[in-house]
Order: sequence, then C-alpha cells, then structure tokens
Amino acid sequence: QKEVEQNSGPLSVPEGAIASLNCTYSDRVSQSFFWYRQYSGKSPELIMSIYSNGDKEDGRFTAQLNKASQYVSLLIRDSQPSDSATYLCATWGGYSSASKIIFGSGTRLSIRP
Amino acid sequence: DAMVIQNPRYQVTQFGKPVTLSCSQTLNHNVMYWYQQKSSQAPKLLFHYYDKDFNNEADTPDNFQSRRPNTSFCFLDIRSPGLGDAAMYLCATSTAGTGDEQYFGPGTRLTVT
Repeated sequence: QKEVEQNSGPLSVPEGAIASLNCTYSDRVSQSFFWYRQYSGKSPELIMSIYSNGDKEDGRFTAQLNKASQYVSLLIRDSQPSDSATYLCATWGGYSSASKIIFGSGTRLSIRP
Repeated sequence: DAMVIQNPRYQVTQFGKPVTLSCSQTLNHNVMYWYQQKSSQAPKLLFHYYDKDFNNEADTPDNFQSRRPNTSFCFLDIRSPGLGDAAMYLCATSTAGTGDEQYFGPGTRLTVT
C-alpha cells in the first residue's frame, strides 16, 4: 500500500514567521511531488510541484525534496492569516507503480495574528 | 479564464434516489478525474478518463458510474446513494498522464437524507 504521511496538526505559527510543513512517502520510485492548499469547504488548489532533489522557490513558498530520505517539505515565509488552510502533499510513483497521484490527509495550518 | 466547472455546487438527494453530478472544463485537458473527499480525509480517486479510455479504481463501488461524452464534459452517476456516500465530490483535470499537475473544480457537496 503506497502511503503519504503528514502530521494532521493543527500547526500554529505566528504571523510573519516561517511555516514548515513536512511529508514522507513510502513509494521509493515516486517521481513527482505536489503541494495543494485547501481552504475549509473548498477544493484543493495546486501551489507547488517539484520533480528533482533540492529546493524550488516560488514567491513566499519553497518546496524541498530529498528522495533518499523519501521526504518532501513546504516552507511558507512571512506567513499571513490567509495562509491558514489545510496543505495536502501528493506524490506520483510513475506508470510502473500505482500510476495515480497519492494524497496525504493534510496538515492543518493556522496563522495567528 | 480557462477553468473546471462543477454543477451543482450543492446537491441534496434521498437515500436510494439516483443522482448525477457534472463537470466541464475549458482547459482542453486529456485527463479527467473524479475524487470523493470526506471531512479531514485525503481525496479518494474513484476513476479517471484518459481521453475516452476509462480507468476504474479497484475499490470504487459499483454504485458509482461515470460517462465522458466528449473532451469537455464528464459525469458522475451515483445509482443508489447511501448515507455513507455523503461527501464532497471533486472533478480534476490534467494535461497528459496521471502524474501531471491536476487542476480541481470547486466541488459538489452531496448530502443524502
């Protein structure tokens, strides 16, 4: 059973600080990694994708991937109250694997003013 | 703007009464997906279409069916909804391949009475 594990939270971070969200995955051959943001009662919104080891930055967001440790993280700099949401980590193991994106259950992030 | 549209946004049906949810997209994406998401859980893939090719997940109940009459539209039919089928139903699309970035519609919240 391919799994994506996330701490459910809630993770409480003061406004302006860095929020760090973590995710581990079990499928060693995973090739693609995604972070989605989901506000309560809304649908997931893609915010980052990463495919190779290292860091990828987009505005206030940085995704970090370490395939050897089967670990992917999302850093949110200068956290804003509007960042309060559930963040879903997702991975894809390739056509030789489950051939579908596997989602984690999400980490609930709360930015306190 | 190119987008994924779901109708209705909220659907109330009676136990055992068939219901159809619809999804349309203006992105011209090849792949369309249907997910079921319950509170505080990961989205669960029900099935997907790669163009006209239908792919059913092994654990998707027979109660759930889908149709994709053309590139733009996809339907989810629940033949005899049970109380356990109350959930958010999410339609998503991707350009090519199940490992590509997925873009979600706003979802349909289904209530079964």
